[in-house]
Amino acid sequence: AQSVSQHNHHVILSEAASLELGCNYSYGGTVNLFWYVQYPGQHLQLLLKYFSGDPLVKGIKGFEAEFIKSKFSFNLRKPSVQWSDTAEYFCAVTTISSASKIIFGSGTRLSIRP
Amino acid sequence: EPEVTQTPSHQVTQMGQEVILRCVPISNHLYFYWYRQILGQKVEFLVSFYNNEISEKSEIFDDQFSVERPDGSNFTLKIRSTKLEDSAMYFCASGRDSNSGANVLTFGAGSRLTVL
Repeated sequence: AQSVSQHNHHVILSEAASLELGCNYSYGGTVNLFWYVQYPGQHLQLLLKYFSGDPLVKGIKGFEAEFIKSKFSFNLRKPSVQWSDTAEYFCAVTTISSASKIIFGSGTRLSIRP
Repeated sequence: EPEVTQTPSHQVTQMGQEVILRCVPISNHLYFYWYRQILGQKVEFLVSFYNNEISEKSEIFDDQFSVERPDGSNFTLKIRSTKLEDSAMYFCASGRDSNSGANVLTFGAGSRLTVL
């Protein structure tokens, strides 16, 4: 079965630090990849997505992610975080065999110290 | 920007009671979903719905759960006899298409269900 792994459960950074959140998936075929963000008390929002083409995708609020097929990874990055980036971040995948559902990782809680 | 709206935002119920969670998807979307998130755990897929029928469901979605789209706008999740372990945040989502998995979902704000 397809799965998504986010190895960092809680990341604590100071403002202006650089961020990289890891995401690995298990599926040998074609995938579509997503990062969602959930700010405290709010609903899930799409940060960015990869369907095809340039493996480096840029999303909202200065976030980007790189799809590395050989490593089955889709890590999220931001060069300089802000206090307002404090949130839970979820990596997610859909596959050709299961196109109608998104499989989420367990999430990474990001806390930014002002 | 179009939104997915969910009601109620929070419901408290007694174990064994029936609960209906309601969702109004984005109007031109064709694919509808329910996910849930137990406190401190990952977001889990429950069910997807297209063309007035379930297209896929998870092992969580047992006989206690049902979905329907009674009037062409609302999309409801019913839990027939709630259990303590049904306490969670339930998210509705809708998407415009599911072609080759290229379905970008818009999520609602969630309905928090507390079963006592």
